[in-house]
Amino acid sequence: DVKVTQSSRYLVKRTGEKVFLECVQDMDHENMFWYRQDPGLGLRLIYFSYDVKMKEKGDIPEGYSVSREKKERFSLILESASTNQTSMYLCASSPPWGEQFFGPGTRLTVL
Amino acid sequence: DQQVKQNSPSLSVQEGRISILNCDYTNSMFDYFLWYKKYPAEGPTFLISISSIKDKNEDGRFTVFLNKSAKHLSLHIVPSQPGDSAVYFCAAPNAGGTSHGKLTFGQGTILTVHP
Repeated sequence: DVKVTQSSRYLVKRTGEKVFLECVQDMDHENMFWYRQDPGLGLRLIYFSYDVKMKEKGDIPEGYSVSREKKERFSLILESASTNQTSMYLCASSPPWGEQFFGPGTRLTVL
Repeated sequence: DQQVKQNSPSLSVQEGRISILNCDYTNSMFDYFLWYKKYPAEGPTFLISISSIKDKNEDGRFTVFLNKSAKHLSLHIVPSQPGDSAVYFCAAPNAGGTSHGKLTFGQGTILTVHP
């Protein structure tokens, strides 16, 4: 059974903190993605990676960075959390083309 | 520039009736479409897809229709069940050799099926 796991389901942080969100997939997929989901805005792509150590900006990369040191792991970093980064964060992985498989999501609240 | 649009934020239907969720797109290069379903506090899961060489794809209670000339697709759920209550997203793979499997998602439609 394919699986994408995320390190936390719920997270509460304070403004200015550095936040790490971890994502691990066991499908040996080349591609990994980070999205945020906000009501009425759908899924917006923050960053994606198509290979180890390779990364590209998505539609809304400002305030975020990523790291992919191993094929199965893709980390999202909020360098200095702000209240407008309160959101549901979703990680996904996929083969080079086709269906993306999503993790359960992390609900992040920044106070 | 919203290339995939779901103009209905929500839809409410009675159990047993048909649910029709709509999606419009602007990029004529899109040649494959996917529908995802998302429950609260869970990640989206793939539901059904359609290639542009077809105008219909059916899987059990779920059917997706594609009208290329109108750049419109729709998801039909018949009969609707309370367990179908979720957010539904349509999506299309970005075109081009550097797309790396990226998908463009619509805004989502919240479906509520009443018993």
